[in-house]
Amino acid sequence: QSVLTQPPSVSAAPRQKVTISCSGSTSNIENNYVSWYQQLPGTAPKLLIYDNNKRPSGIPSRFSGSKSGTSATLGITGLQTGDEADYYCATWDNSLSAVVFGGGTKLTIL
Amino acid sequence: QLHLQESGPGLVKPSETLSLTCTVSGGSISSSTYYWGWVRQPPGKGLEWIGSIYYSGNTYYNPSLKSRVTISVDTSNNQFSLNLSSVTAAETAVFYCARHSGLGRGFDYWGQGTLVTVSS
Repeated sequence: QSVLTQPPSVSAAPRQKVTISCSGSTSNIENNYVSWYQQLPGTAPKLLIYDNNKRPSGIPSRFSGSKSGTSATLGITGLQTGDEADYYCATWDNSLSAVVFGGGTKLTIL
Repeated sequence: QLHLQESGPGLVKPSETLSLTCTVSGGSISSSTYYWGWVRQPPGKGLEWIGSIYYSGNTYYNPSLKSRVTISVDTSNNQFSLNLSSVTAAETAVFYCARHSGLGRGFDYWGQGTLVTVSS
């Protein structure tokens, strides 16, 4: 299983908001930057959030990231059908000396 | 605009070595700002970091794969490569190359991915 724990699935209706959690430990999330990725079916992952809460150019403000202690959260507001995808968190783990990914969360738009 | 493209055999036999190359265009692989990494994804499963290389040649590997992985850089051709030895059928996956600005920082540019099937 993954070092970072994400819920396997979340769902919400269009125009609503959703949060996806990523739980880790002091050796990873608490002391390192967290990034978030969106993976649409059949495509490469796309960076949504880096350095805990920064959005790359072109990523809408509907996507936000936060971190507190050993957990991080991705928030998505104004949900659209096109947001239906798998979402992954990632960070560096000091104990493993490795980049670690969460297991992924499938977002379903109801 | 930076573009990354994976290339290599789509079929590898069990116990053999998987070799892939990532060609970078639209930017220099020699930039001191970035690391260049490999990530794999078995069909229907999550993402796994394989390892990364800095332009200087310093390498960082997933401890679970370290004994079988080699990542190298060819600055003259703006490419970096992955060798994974002694592969098994369970390692059939889509392999992605990607750029990141630090070992714990986000992967901001990704290749489209290439499926490598391990089968006799």
